[in-house]
Amino acid sequence: EAGVAQSPRYKIIEKRQSVAFWCNPISGHATLYWYQQILGQGPKLLIQFQNNGVVDDSQLPKDRFSAERLKGVDSTLKIQPAKLEDSAVYLCASSLGVGGSTDTQYFGPGTRLTVL
Amino acid sequence: AQSVAQPEDQVNVAEGNPLTVKCTYSVSGNPYLFWYVQYPNRGLQFLLKYITGDNLVKGSYGFEAEFNKSQTSFHLKKPSALVSDSALYFCAVRDRETGANNLFFGTGTRLTVIP
Repeated sequence: EAGVAQSPRYKIIEKRQSVAFWCNPISGHATLYWYQQILGQGPKLLIQFQNNGVVDDSQLPKDRFSAERLKGVDSTLKIQPAKLEDSAVYLCASSLGVGGSTDTQYFGPGTRLTVL
Repeated sequence: AQSVAQPEDQVNVAEGNPLTVKCTYSVSGNPYLFWYVQYPNRGLQFLLKYITGDNLVKGSYGFEAEFNKSQTSFHLKKPSALVSDSALYFCAVRDRETGANNLFFGTGTRLTVIP
């Protein structure tokens, strides 16, 4: 079974530039998550989709971050404009169920963003 | 509010010795608890989870964890450490009562197994 795919793996940008990350979840997984992992910290949820609808985006800095999951499969996360403090690893995860809190989340390899 | 504490940033253990990585949690209701491992430049890999039932949970690669409700702990253990177990370990909690799916992660514990 193929895992969660993410691209690019690494990205370096200047502050105030924009950047986009792509995620393809495990086939058949209804729920998709984006996490931000700052160096030395655990991952923090940014947004959760169930199919193509947003379940939780309370921690997403909406003035600069946006995300979409068209057709309930792939997802993109965008930052515009980027700030220095956005330097982090952005992890995408997916889980099978539709709202089941016992679900296991499976993570992709992440995108390491460096903002200069 | 949900939170997880991993009191040790670093754990060193000799190869072949038992290892323990500590985790304590705080939730308003009953918890679902998870352990993940992260290798360099890789995403998080699922090890095991506690949902209900037997307090001792067995997972991947010979790891196990014991849920202790009175101590609000979920320590990760392995009887005999391998050098390949060296990685960053994360404990995570989800509050059963809220029904939310998002996980709250600890800050991670770096395990080094010394040959």
